[in-house]
Amino acid sequence: AQSVSQHNHHVILSEAASLELGCNYSYGGTVNLFWYVQYPGQHLQLLLKYFSGDPLVKGIKGFEAEFIKSKFSFNLRKPSVQWSDTAEYFCAVRGDTGFQKLVFGTGTRLLVSP
Amino acid sequence: GAVVSQHPSRVICKSGTSVKIECRSLDFQATTMFWYRQFPKQSLMLMATSNEGSKATYEQGVEKDKFLINHASLTLSTLTVTSAHPEDSSFYICSASGLAAYEQYFGPGTRLTVT
Repeated sequence: AQSVSQHNHHVILSEAASLELGCNYSYGGTVNLFWYVQYPGQHLQLLLKYFSGDPLVKGIKGFEAEFIKSKFSFNLRKPSVQWSDTAEYFCAVRGDTGFQKLVFGTGTRLLVSP
Repeated sequence: GAVVSQHPSRVICKSGTSVKIECRSLDFQATTMFWYRQFPKQSLMLMATSNEGSKATYEQGVEKDKFLINHASLTLSTLTVTSAHPEDSSFYICSASGLAAYEQYFGPGTRLTVT
């Protein structure tokens, strides 16, 4: 069965600090990988996704993620966070073949202090 | 981008009553809709997947007679929580995908409180 692990449940950073959120998954096949963000009071939005090709994926708002197949990881990064990045971030994985459901990690709550 | 709405955003009901939550895709045809449940400080858990005109496929452990899902059109799916109990209190989120099926677009969620 698929599973997703997000190691950091809460992260507190100051503005301009660099961000890296860990995501590891367990799945015995080819996967599609996603990062979603949920701003306070808003719905889940897609930040970025990886299906194939270049393992370094760039998303919206300056976020990027790197797929490292050998480590089953898809960590999210941003070189310099802003107060507006305060949100909850969810990593999700889905098998690549046929219809496969999205499996979410438990989320990381990021608080950026001004 | 694609927009998915949910109604109501919040609902409080008494134990034993039923509650219906609507999920609509506003600007695209959703061939597949998903219903998730999110407990506080936990991840989204998929409850069921529904394709337009077909019976929903429920995840293991989800009671289909308690959580009735109807996907009667390409823009509307409903989740009815029947005979609600306090333990059904949760945040229910729907998502929808079109023919491409690679991406899901999420609704804003419905906070259900059963007293």
